[in-house]
Amino acid sequence: DQQVKQNSPSLSVQEGRISILNCDYTNSMFDYFLWYKKYPAEGPTFLISISSIKDKNEDGRFTVFLNKSAKHLSLHIVPSQPGDSAVYFCAASARTTGTASKLTFGTGTRLQVTL
Amino acid sequence: DGGITQSPKYLFRKEGQNVTLSCEQNLNHDAMYWYRQDPGQGLRLIYYSQIVNDFQKGDIAEGYSVSREKKESFPLTVTSAQKNPTAFYLCASRPGQGNSGNTIYFGEGSWLTVV
Repeated sequence: DQQVKQNSPSLSVQEGRISILNCDYTNSMFDYFLWYKKYPAEGPTFLISISSIKDKNEDGRFTVFLNKSAKHLSLHIVPSQPGDSAVYFCAASARTTGTASKLTFGTGTRLQVTL
Repeated sequence: DGGITQSPKYLFRKEGQNVTLSCEQNLNHDAMYWYRQDPGQGLRLIYYSQIVNDFQKGDIAEGYSVSREKKESFPLTVTSAQKNPTAFYLCASRPGQGNSGNTIYFGEGSWLTVV
């Protein structure tokens, strides 16, 4: 049972444009969400997170939006740069249930930023 | 430099042999994790430990064992009972406190290939 879903395995965006990566979740107990970026044969790098008490969090070119009613979050990258080309993982945890230490990951979306 | 160090980066194992992957962190993080990445399946949790001398099974613990004798170290043993051990293994840790307490940080990963 995939509790965190990234339905788009890949995405191609032109340099300078906006990249939008989507993530859906099914567990209503999830209340903390994170995005990680991963290059091949390397460990994932933390990008940005959002708590369920917010609907938006911004950090430079990266913004994460959370729609709790739809159980949906998205990562916006503006403007997209060639160095953003990587696999992006969405992750979620349920801090309030005492399982804060467990992150559940989606299957990832491969972003390619073209020149 | 502070960080999470995994070794070896690449490891080949013959069928029927046990192998141990090392993970060391000097970040003074409380919790440590082992994830496994397979193509198209994202990251799946094998084991995690919130404090020294304590650890819990993750979603795919069968065929694996861990120990947490020191705060800095969380080795993973892949036993001969693991049916499909060839994968990319990721160690991670989490501060446990403060604003980033629920964000986990990854090492560079270890490739295990069974030959």
